[in-house]
Amino acid sequence: NAGVTQTPKFRVLKTGQSMTLLCAQDMNHEYMYWYRQDPGMGLRLIHYSVGEGTTAKGEVPDGYNVSRLKKQNFLLGLESAAPSQTSVYFCASSYVQGLGENTEAFFGQGTRLTVV
Amino acid sequence: AQSVAQPEDQVNVAEGNPLTVKCTYSVSGNPYLFWYVQYPNRGLQFLLKYITGDNLVKGSYGFEAEFNKSQTSFHLKKPSALVSDSALYFCAVRPGFTGGGNKLTFGTGTQLKVEL
Repeated sequence: NAGVTQTPKFRVLKTGQSMTLLCAQDMNHEYMYWYRQDPGMGLRLIHYSVGEGTTAKGEVPDGYNVSRLKKQNFLLGLESAAPSQTSVYFCASSYVQGLGENTEAFFGQGTRLTVV
Repeated sequence: AQSVAQPEDQVNVAEGNPLTVKCTYSVSGNPYLFWYVQYPNRGLQFLLKYITGDNLVKGSYGFEAEFNKSQTSFHLKKPSALVSDSALYFCAVRPGFTGGGNKLTFGTGTQLKVEL
């Protein structure tokens, strides 16, 4: 049982390049999230999804796009990377609300992205 | 909008002494509250949660947290700190009812340092 797996773990991009971060979970979770972590700012929600084929904006969505074509995968895309997107990105997943005992989110190990 | 405040960037405590990491929240309706821990270069690990019921919840590694609805707080505690508890701690909240939204919002984190 792998949990939440993020690919890649590290990446260096040049300004203007594009890339896709992949998140895969094998827990049959409905909810999936993408966060970025920056010093002193905690985790900020970029986009999230409440189910296959649905996505929604979080606190800091600008410059990012997402897709959830399959329940187990949640992709985060940067179309034209900027230095301000240098950060550590975390994916998380959880069960749907209302199941009381199973509401905590499970996190991947993170992707460290540097844009130069 | 929902939010979480962790008023202390860093908490220092001597090994063997009790520790408290503070968290206050704002959310519509009843909250689901969580504590996570992050060790260097790792993802977030779930510690404990409050969903309903007893205001004092117990979690992993001897940690516990007290939910106080009137003060909208969910402080993390441990009776006797260990050097190995040194890490970054995050408090998080989400609405506890269907239709309240699905966002999981984090605080900015508190660095706990336990010294000999």
